[in-house]
Amino acid sequence: GAVVSQHPSWVICKSGTSVKIECRSLDFQATTMFWYRQFPKQSLMLMATSNEGSKATYEQGVEKDKFLINHASLTLSTLTVTSAHPEDSSFYICSARETRVQPQHFGDGTRLSIL
Amino acid sequence: AQKITQTQPGMFVQEKEAVTLDCTYDTSDQSYGLFWYKQPSSGEMIFLIYQGSYDEQNATEGRYSLNFQKARKSANLVISASQLGDSAMYFCAMRGTGNQFYFGTGTSLTVIP
Repeated sequence: GAVVSQHPSWVICKSGTSVKIECRSLDFQATTMFWYRQFPKQSLMLMATSNEGSKATYEQGVEKDKFLINHASLTLSTLTVTSAHPEDSSFYICSARETRVQPQHFGDGTRLSIL
Repeated sequence: AQKITQTQPGMFVQEKEAVTLDCTYDTSDQSYGLFWYKQPSSGEMIFLIYQGSYDEQNATEGRYSLNFQKARKSANLVISASQLGDSAMYFCAMRGTGNQFYFGTGTSLTVIP
């Protein structure tokens, strides 16, 4: 079945550093990838949608300069949290789908802790 | 505006019993898809079942079935013969005609031995 790999699974870093999270579709070509943020015991909040080769579409309230998304190939999208601060600590999870009518398949998520 | 409502923040079910998790949706789109995902405590999101708005039959996948009532705009998930490993958060989601996915707030299911 469709497999999405997300790396790293856990990051602890100092305030002010930048963190890059990778999302790869391993056995299919992901024309669209999604990045979500999830707070404890809450639902997923869509941050942005990215289509391969084009700029990401950010949801209202999500800072583009803070959360840089790159979807350079059909199998890889990256989310970079720039100059991370403690309030950026959260669970970030990516998903990918091959076509619009197919379900999204999720990575295992990244727990980001900013000290 | 699209909206997904899951009214049960927490549910308990006895092992081997069936349980229904409620989901209602609101959309003006004619074509849409409904999905259920399972999120164990480890965090990954696991796709369970899909129902298209034009599908006449209710979707089934093993122990999972989707009770789709289009006129009522409901898409309840039925888990039969509950197992301890079914304890998790369950999210209902909808895809409209655009690219967007909309998630409900989730239902925490606990299976009691």
